[in-house]
Amino acid sequence: LAKTTQPISMDSYEGQEVNITCSHNNIATNDYITWYQQFPSQGPRFIIQGYKTKVTNEVASLFIPADRKSSTLSLPRVSLSDTAVYYCLAWNSGGSNYKLTFGKGTLLTVNP
Amino acid sequence: NAGVTQTPKFRILKIGQSMTLQCAQDMNHNYMYWYRQDPGMGLKLIYYSVGAGITDKGEVPNGYNVSRSTTEDFPLRLELAAPSQTSVYFCASRQQGLDNTGELFFGEGSRLTVL
Repeated sequence: LAKTTQPISMDSYEGQEVNITCSHNNIATNDYITWYQQFPSQGPRFIIQGYKTKVTNEVASLFIPADRKSSTLSLPRVSLSDTAVYYCLAWNSGGSNYKLTFGKGTLLTVNP
Repeated sequence: NAGVTQTPKFRILKIGQSMTLQCAQDMNHNYMYWYRQDPGMGLKLIYYSVGAGITDKGEVPNGYNVSRSTTEDFPLRLELAAPSQTSVYFCASRQQGLDNTGELFFGEGSRLTVL
């Protein structure tokens, strides 16, 4: 299983763009990178997934460089309601690896 | 669709008691997972299942048992509850499909306190 490393916490202000980086040096060829958001007292919620280059949806963008040793989740113009814990996961789409394990995540605090 | 449903939402147990946390999904997902989350910490995988009749241990299986007799249900059994099992338990499911989505669908959680 690819190990992922994220900053423990980040602070931002409303209206700013926030970039959260995840390191995954031993990512396998058919590993995908997936990001989740978790609010207090709720289960995590899927945000975005990518393999290489850039993926964008209505919530966020995910950039994965060519060497795939890291990825960056970008949240445009954050608001107070984006305060949450964000988790980066590397998961294998093939073989017999069915486990999906979470690290400690990054606590993003958006200030007024 | 109800998605993933967990019961009970809250429970207080005495040390040594046993109980079962229920999890049901109506999305016909083949993969199901149980996680626990201690205060201020990330999620730890307890057990998972890739289909009816097939289960396997995760990172922290000790003190727990699971079964998967149907696609829909994945109950988690706590035997001889200990204070260290005080946590919030999340059940999740996903579908292995051609789109290679690692998207997990989570329940609302079951908050367990062992006194």
